[in-house]
Amino acid sequence: GQNIDQPTEMTATEGAIVQINCTYQTSGFNGLFWYQQHAGEAPTFLSYNVLDGLEEKGRFSSFLSRSKGYSYLLLKELQMKDSASYLCAVKDSNYQLIWGAGTKLIIKP
Amino acid sequence: DAMVIQNPRYQVTQFGKPVTLSCSQTLNHNVMYWYQQKSSQAPKLLFHYYDKDFNNEADTPDNFQSRRPNTSFCFLDIRSPGLGDAAMYLCATSRESASSYEQYFGPGTRLTVT
Repeated sequence: GQNIDQPTEMTATEGAIVQINCTYQTSGFNGLFWYQQHAGEAPTFLSYNVLDGLEEKGRFSSFLSRSKGYSYLLLKELQMKDSASYLCAVKDSNYQLIWGAGTKLIIKP
Repeated sequence: DAMVIQNPRYQVTQFGKPVTLSCSQTLNHNVMYWYQQKSSQAPKLLFHYYDKDFNNEADTPDNFQSRRPNTSFCFLDIRSPGLGDAAMYLCATSRESASSYEQYFGPGTRLTVT
């Protein structure tokens, strides 16, 4: 079966750095996405990786290792507004998005 | 602004009473998706359309139906809602289904079944 694993919940301090990991086992691979979802709201797109390596976008960076079936989202200079769930999703060989359950990130002052 | 719109934002229905949720988009995207999401769970894909081609996920209950009368609009019909159908229903669009195209989500409709 297809599976995406992420930690259920993480806590970090305002101003710090946090890394959210994602491991996946899917039928084929056509890219990995990270989405942010605030409570009661819709997911919004953060990043896309299809090749190995690090993609940096402002305070957020995303890393991919296809051989390890592994990605992480790195959030720097954390702000209170970063408190949200972060969902990892992989496009499989049929271009269907397989979603993880998300990591709830709690930011403390 | 180009966007994905869902109406209503909150819907309360009675057990067994049919309900229709609507989604419209001004992005002119080819692909439209309906997801069901329950608290602290991954979004679950119910259907998607590539243009007018309808794709039903294998484990989507028969109680759920969908219509896409034109590029801009898509509807989700729940014929006989049960208590287990209470969830957030998310509509999303994508220019294409190929790799690099992300999905754009509407604000969702939160369905309560009484």
